[in-house]
Amino acid sequence: DAGITQSPRHKVTETGTPVTLRCHQTENHRYMYWYRQDPGHGLRLIHYSYGVKDTDKGEVSDGYSVSRSKTEDFLLTLESATSSQTSVYFCAIGTEETQYFGPGTRLLVL
Amino acid sequence: AQSVTQPDIHITVSEGASLELRCNYSYGATPYLFWYVQSPGQGLQLLLKYFSGDTLVQGIKGFEAEFKRSQSSFNLRKPSVHWSDAAEYFCAVGAPGDYKLSFGAGTTVTVRA
Repeated sequence: DAGITQSPRHKVTETGTPVTLRCHQTENHRYMYWYRQDPGHGLRLIHYSYGVKDTDKGEVSDGYSVSRSKTEDFLLTLESATSSQTSVYFCAIGTEETQYFGPGTRLLVL
Repeated sequence: AQSVTQPDIHITVSEGASLELRCNYSYGATPYLFWYVQSPGQGLQLLLKYFSGDTLVQGIKGFEAEFKRSQSSFNLRKPSVHWSDAAEYFCAVGAPGDYKLSFGAGTTVTVRA
């Protein structure tokens, strides 16, 4: 398995609260991704990074920001969490030919 | 932009029976195609992938998939399912030079004894 960890694994928060999710990799991959998984939608790309300090938006980026100050860490921030952001969040690393996924973070926004 | 449709939301199959999951994609050229499996509460595991060449690709856990350009399809098959194959299966499409994947909504497979 690719060396990808996500923290926290579970989080419950309240509407309007800022939340940061962390993805850490030990594979030295240049590309990292954040997806959210919702029933009936599969996985949808939120943001991705193609290097330190280099990021771009995905399909569902509204309400989310990201940062990558080191190769191994990719942070996803919900500036002011809303109930519509209740989801399972997956980090991935890899290239156009293969992406490896982390274990996921289950986020509940009340 | 590429997109994926998985027409079947849920499939129930008996243990030992064959399984086929459908995937249709939309993309102008030859895409990169993937099948992932997700067991309950777990992350996604890559089953197999297709880039070019032989249109029948073999994957892990006894799965195979066939790329049919004329039908824009990449269906996943297994000749004889095991109870451990109960999971959610996702088809995904990518493109050469584009590092973003587009996923289908997924097909949940239930295996009955």
